[in-house]
Amino acid sequence: AQKVTQAQTEISVVEKEDVTLDCVYETRDTTYYLFWYKQPPSGELVFLIRRNSFDEQNEISGRYSWNFQKSTSSFNFTITASQVVDSAVYFCALSEVGGGSEKLVFGKGTKLTVNP
Amino acid sequence: DAGVIQSPRHEVTEMGQEVTLRCKPISGHDYLFWYRQTMMRGLELLIYFNNNVPIDDSGMPEDRFSAKMPNASFSTLKIQPSEPRDSAVYFCASSLSAGLNYEQYFGPGTRLTVT
Repeated sequence: AQKVTQAQTEISVVEKEDVTLDCVYETRDTTYYLFWYKQPPSGELVFLIRRNSFDEQNEISGRYSWNFQKSTSSFNFTITASQVVDSAVYFCALSEVGGGSEKLVFGKGTKLTVNP
Repeated sequence: DAGVIQSPRHEVTEMGQEVTLRCKPISGHDYLFWYRQTMMRGLELLIYFNNNVPIDDSGMPEDRFSAKMPNASFSTLKIQPSEPRDSAVYFCASSLSAGLNYEQYFGPGTRLTVT
């Protein structure tokens, strides 16, 4: 069965610090997608990134970067030079491909607080 | 472009009453998902549709919950009768199935409080 573990329940940093959010997943499939979503205090879920299991290249988007390592089943998310606006709950999610299923399994989320 | 639209945004009702949550997916998307978010259980998938047909309702907690999608632009999630433990934020999401490039877009959610 699919499972996503975000071991860090809450993280608190001071503005401009770098912070890494961990995500470890379990799946029996060889083909799957991994996602990160952001949920700011306003409550909506915002899509950040999608990775497929065949692409292990790390990705950088501005202050955000993602490190995908199949060997350790991890898909970690780093925010460089954090800002107060980054305060949110961040969710990692997993979807298997094939069999007509488009289901997402979410981790429990990591609440990030960036203090000024 | 309009995103996923949900109504109402907030609903307060008394135990035993019927509650109907509504969702309009992004135009052209062929998948629609209903999720529930609580502190205890996190984000849970309740049911999802493909081309208006329910594909997997294994997450629906019990017979008090039902969902319909009469057409490509509208879906409802109904709880009858409602109970205090149904209090949660209910999200609707939609996606365009495009092989390796799909992602789910979420609506703003409906915060349901059952007293």
